[in-house]
Amino acid sequence: SAVISQKPSRDICQRGTSLTIQCQVDSQVTMMFWYRQQPGQSLTLIATANQGSEATYESGFVIDKFPISRPNLTFSTLTVSNMSPEDSSIYLCSGQQGQAEAFFGQGTRLTVV
Amino acid sequence: GENVEQHPSTLSVQEGDSAVIKCTYSDSASNYFPWYKQELGKRPQLIIDIRSNVGEKKDQRIAVTLNKTAKHFSLHITETQPEDSAVYFCAASITGGFKTIFGAGTRLFVKA
Repeated sequence: SAVISQKPSRDICQRGTSLTIQCQVDSQVTMMFWYRQQPGQSLTLIATANQGSEATYESGFVIDKFPISRPNLTFSTLTVSNMSPEDSSIYLCSGQQGQAEAFFGQGTRLTVV
Repeated sequence: GENVEQHPSTLSVQEGDSAVIKCTYSDSASNYFPWYKQELGKRPQLIIDIRSNVGEKKDQRIAVTLNKTAKHFSLHITETQPEDSAVYFCAASITGGFKTIFGAGTRLFVKA
């Protein structure tokens, strides 16, 4: 399957600031998604990153807090805006070719202080 | 929307024994069911998957079964080894949107 490079791998941020996470896929994929994973917990879907249009957010997640871009079929960004300590988590992007296996970036471990 | 429930949350077995993890899903439109293994500090990796037109699939020591009527699917690991210790996630993929919804995870410990 394709390979996703995600960066940064980790960051420590001040509350009230924003962080943008980037994911680059080494080939075109039809679908890209963003997940959040608290330590020891499951993966919670934040949104579907739609190429050339606004992302589709899951219940509990809003565009103002988690703006997402997907300018083409190989790249997407997630911004965590106006951060608070509750946003401390691991953020993962994934790619899929239609209804097939999801493959993941290596994750971004975010700590908000 | 889709909801995936997974049990048990923790499973401890002796090396060589079998391990079984069970999941249920709510959306009858789901027709793709992958299983992921996540080692500490690593990204989830696909270990096996099954589609709704198949009842069982096996890959060496790993097998997955699917009961569409009951909306149940299970992961079976035989002859467990210490390197099988990890967190395992079941998931279901919804037709149309293709998004993958994950179960809560099972932390498997294999004792040598």
